[in-house]
Amino acid sequence: SVLTQPPSVSAAPGQKVTISCSISSSNIGIDYVAWYQQLPETAPKLLIYDNNRRPSEIPDRFSGSKSGASATLGITGLQTGDEADYYCAIWDDSLSAGIFGGGTKLTVL
Amino acid sequence: EVQLLESGGDLVQPGGSLRLSCAASGFSFRTYTMNWVRQAPGKGLEWVSTISGNGDSVYHADSVKGRFTMSRDNSKNTLYLQMSSLRAGDTATYYCAKVRMLGTTITCDSWGPGTLVTVSS
Repeated sequence: SVLTQPPSVSAAPGQKVTISCSISSSNIGIDYVAWYQQLPETAPKLLIYDNNRRPSEIPDRFSGSKSGASATLGITGLQTGDEADYYCAIWDDSLSAGIFGGGTKLTVL
Repeated sequence: EVQLLESGGDLVQPGGSLRLSCAASGFSFRTYTMNWVRQAPGKGLEWVSTISGNGDSVYHADSVKGRFTMSRDNSKNTLYLQMSSLRAGDTATYYCAKVRMLGTTITCDSWGPGTLVTVSS
């Protein structure tokens, strides 16, 4: 798989959680990663683009980073409303194709 | 306010055809690259197709290449996805999404609610 995410993560309300996205060696030249949140039964929502940029409406509890072949989404001050599926995504210029990770289900215990 | 509304989803037999539409409003439609992304029931997101603002550049995932065609009518602010030779594996909710002006082509800052396509006999 091009983008590998853990199937699930969990943490308690108020805590911090990180979700990893590992980029395969065949796509090692990818520079930018985006992150999406998908609440149950809703369309995805852009959380992070260009590795660490947030759309203006996204609170700063959400952050992104990338180092080498790995990108990370961080969420602080967890709320029950953060329970959702989270996806990383890239655009591969060499393939002219978009790729999503398999998704990570966040449970706020 | 940006609004995207997909339509055209239906139950179709294997081998059949279907055309999805996505009506856009609230932004300068012709200026923006657009994507179709799908999600099979209980599964993750899958990029399907991309079209540039003027329609000159179109890209499709290998899984739909040769069967699906993405197009747009900028005079009608409408996006299309013509699907043929449909298979059970194409069963999914199909979302249209607007690509953010600044960011990569997978950076979708607005999404429609989706339309369900079911391929079954």
